[in-house]
Amino acid sequence: DAKTTQPPSMDCAEGRAANLPCNHSTISGNEYVYWYRQIHSQGPQYIIHGLKNNETNEMASLIITEDRKSSTLILPHATLRDTAVYYCIVSRNAGKSTFGDGTTLTVKP
Amino acid sequence: DGGITQSPKYLFRKEGQNVTLSCEQNLNHDAMYWYRQDPGQGLRLIYYSQIVNDFQKGDIAEGYSVSREKKESFPLTVTSAQKNPTAFYLCASSLRKDRDGQPQHFGDGTRLSIL
Repeated sequence: DAKTTQPPSMDCAEGRAANLPCNHSTISGNEYVYWYRQIHSQGPQYIIHGLKNNETNEMASLIITEDRKSSTLILPHATLRDTAVYYCIVSRNAGKSTFGDGTTLTVKP
Repeated sequence: DGGITQSPKYLFRKEGQNVTLSCEQNLNHDAMYWYRQDPGQGLRLIYYSQIVNDFQKGDIAEGYSVSREKKESFPLTVTSAQKNPTAFYLCASSLRKDRDGQPQHFGDGTRLSIL
């Protein structure tokens, strides 16, 4: 699996968009970008994943650069309940994934 | 609703004792995984299983054992050989480990502490 780099922490104002970056410069052509989040003392929650194209679901949008070396997770209207640790994972499939330290997002009123 | 159930939520172990953590899923997923999480850190893979009666070591398998006798169940035993077992243990499943583009779904974890 390719290594990812995420900022350790970010703040966002409630109601504003939260943009969480992830660098994965060594990504291979068949590796997907997955995003999960973990609220304190709970199991990680799957958010979204993509291969090449941008993706959107009811939770978030995933923007992948054309060279696939970085991506951004966008929470369009952050709420206090979005405060969590966000993990960016690059892997061909779901298994044997390494979850680094992630980005701690704090949404402030 | 379909999901992954881990039990118990909290578990205490005396030194020298083996303990077994339960993980059950009703998602009809083929692959199941066990992770360990230490405070303030990410997840590390202990064991994974792609099919019944088969499992593979992850990055930190020493001191742990698993079984996969049923598709729905993947219990983890923390043996006395695991010298630092205090951690948050997470179970996950996915449709198939070797199928591209399949996300993992996680349970709510078991927090193990040493008495």
